[in-house]
Amino acid sequence: QLQLQESGPGLAKPSETLSLTCSVSGDSMSSGSYHWGWIRQSPGKGLEWIGIMSYSGSTDYNPSLKSRVSMSVDTSKNHFSLRLTSVTAADTAIYYCARCDEIVTVGGVYYYMDIWGEGTTVTVSS
Amino acid sequence: EIVMTQSPVTLSVSPGERATLSCRASQSVGSNLAWYQQKRGQAPRLLIYDASTRASGIPARFGGSGSGTEFTLTISSLQSEDFALYYCLQYNSWWTFGQGTKVEIK
Repeated sequence: QLQLQESGPGLAKPSETLSLTCSVSGDSMSSGSYHWGWIRQSPGKGLEWIGIMSYSGSTDYNPSLKSRVSMSVDTSKNHFSLRLTSVTAADTAIYYCARCDEIVTVGGVYYYMDIWGEGTTVTVSS
Repeated sequence: EIVMTQSPVTLSVSPGERATLSCRASQSVGSNLAWYQQKRGQAPRLLIYDASTRASGIPARFGGSGSGTEFTLTISSLQSEDFALYYCLQYNSWWTFGQGTKVEIK
C-alpha cells in the first residue's frame, strides 16, 4: 500500500528558504502514470495547491507562488522535494504531499490528488 | 483562477439522515471535480473523482453528481464516522479547492 511521509523543519525564520521532502514507500514513483504534488492548508487560505510534477521532472506551479517555489524528484531515493524561498508568516501552514492520479478524457489528461501524506506543520516566525 | 464555492458552510444533520452538500464553480470544469473528507488532525481523504466515481474503499452511501458548474455530494444515511469537513477540488484548470462544508451532529 502506497504511503507518503513529509519531513522537514517545523520552524523557519522570515526570509529563509523552506525545504521539505516527501518520502514515498510501497511502490516506485516511476511506476504508473502518476504525478506528485504539494498542497498546504492554513486557517486563512484553506487548502491551496502549491505545485505538481511528473516523475521525469516536469513541473506546474501555482502562479501565486511560482516565483518562490521549486520542486525536484530523486527517483533513486523514491522521494520528491519542495523548496520555498523568502518565507513570511503567510507561509505558516500544514504542508501535505500527495500522489496525483491520472484521468484521461476526451478533453485531455487531468490529475487529481488521490493519496496524501499525513502532513507536516511549518511555522514561520522569528 | 476558477473559484469554488461550497454551501452550506455548516450542515447540521442527525445520524441516519441524508446530507446534501453543494459545490459551485465560477466557470465550467466539466466533470473534473473531486470530493474529500477531512477529520480533525488528519489529511484529506479522497471520496469521489470525475464528479461521480467513488474512490477505492469508499462506502456506497457516498454519491457524487453534477457537471459543468454545479456539483453535489450526497451522503445517503449519515454514520457517526461521517461527521467531518468536506472539500471539493476542481482539477480542470490548475487546481482549486472549495472552502469546505462542516457536517455536524444535529
